[in-house]
Amino acid sequence: DAEITQSPRHKIIETGRQVTLACHQTWNHNNMFWYRQDLGHGLRLIHYSYGVHDTNKGEVSDGYSVSRSNTEDLPLTLESAASSQTSVYFCASSESLQGAPQETQYFGPGTRLLVL
Amino acid sequence: AQRVTQPEKLLSVFKGAPVELKCNYSYSGSPELFWYVQYSRQRLQLLLRHISRESIKGFTADLNKGETSFHLKKPFAQEEDSAMYYCALKPYGQNFVFGPGTRLSVLP
Repeated sequence: DAEITQSPRHKIIETGRQVTLACHQTWNHNNMFWYRQDLGHGLRLIHYSYGVHDTNKGEVSDGYSVSRSNTEDLPLTLESAASSQTSVYFCASSESLQGAPQETQYFGPGTRLLVL
Repeated sequence: AQRVTQPEKLLSVFKGAPVELKCNYSYSGSPELFWYVQYSRQRLQLLLRHISRESIKGFTADLNKGETSFHLKKPFAQEEDSAMYYCALKPYGQNFVFGPGTRLSVLP
């Protein structure tokens, strides 16, 4: 069955360190998204990609970067982690129709990141 | 700018009582609205979408364009309905905008 996975599921890192969160989907979806989930803010879009070699900034992109070298993967990198980046991170994917992202997003299980 | 508000961070009801989770949106175009749910230790999943006019797990939601609302309702809450609920707006050709979420707790 097609699915979307994230790794690691839990991570603790020190301030200033670099960390990469992996996201892998086997839906063959063009669109992939990274969100962070924080109490009181809900889900906020960090970065997104509409296809291979395409990346775009979302609402809260500062301090994060992504790259899309194939359809299946969109890794999220925190270049120099800060305590404000302690959060739960969700990856999602969706189909495209005529270049526009479609309505149903499929979410990964989430990565809980703690920056000390 | 597009925005989704959910005024209640936490909503507690007793089993068997009616429940209504409020959602309001701001968008100048014709809205597509959704409810996503996240049960404990599970991933977010789509609960329902307004264009389908469907009832899922006893939940319904009606789009009220005059009040710019898309409240989620269920006549008789069950303990297994306890979860985090997110209202989401999808502007045409753009990405989702999620509300801050409401945690529903159904008490025995």
